[in-house]
Amino acid sequence: NAGVMQNPRHLVRRRGQEARLRCSPMKGHSHVYWYRQLPEEGLKFMVYLQKENIIDESGMPKERFSAEFPKEGPSILRIQQVVRGDSAAYFCASSPTQGVGTEAFFGQGTRLTVV
Amino acid sequence: GENVEQHPSTLSVQEGDSAVIKCTYSDSASNYFPWYKQELGKRPQLIIDIRSNVGEKKDQRIAVTLNKTAKHFSLHITETQPEDSAVYFCAASRIGNTPLVFGKGTRLSVIA
Repeated sequence: NAGVMQNPRHLVRRRGQEARLRCSPMKGHSHVYWYRQLPEEGLKFMVYLQKENIIDESGMPKERFSAEFPKEGPSILRIQQVVRGDSAAYFCASSPTQGVGTEAFFGQGTRLTVV
Repeated sequence: GENVEQHPSTLSVQEGDSAVIKCTYSDSASNYFPWYKQELGKRPQLIIDIRSNVGEKKDQRIAVTLNKTAKHFSLHITETQPEDSAVYFCAASRIGNTPLVFGKGTRLSVIA
């Protein structure tokens, strides 16, 4: 089991460009969570998805941010028209069952830098 | 929604001493409390967790205690070693498709 895979590990975008972050959960996991981590800060929940469904997006900004987890393929976090304040590490985590009360395993993260 | 407070934000201990990190939570329905360790530039890794049906859990040098009445839980690391230096995060969640809510982290430095 390769664990939770995220790519790219590092992403540099100019202001106004789009950023696409990918997350492949662990084998057998159908629940994916995206978190954002600013330097020297904690993990802020953004969105929780199951296959083809968004369960909870209460932590995700209403504009410019979107997420999906299609039936086939990785989960995608998409940030349109990036701004400098979007620079952060974005982690995804996956869990095997209902997603709460069970272990969540994190990927290595994608470090987004907006220049 | 759930709110998790974590203290202290930084902690320095001498090698061999014990370290204690404390967290409080607000949602009395929360029933799962994991602790994660994050080394610089790396992913958060689960080190221990506790569910609300037990008050204490131990794994070698690491232990976690839970007081449901007071809504707080703590991480205890004994015989600290330099490789224990990292940022530690507590989290809480409950049944019902709710994600983990994290504390802001504690930067632990173990001085050799």
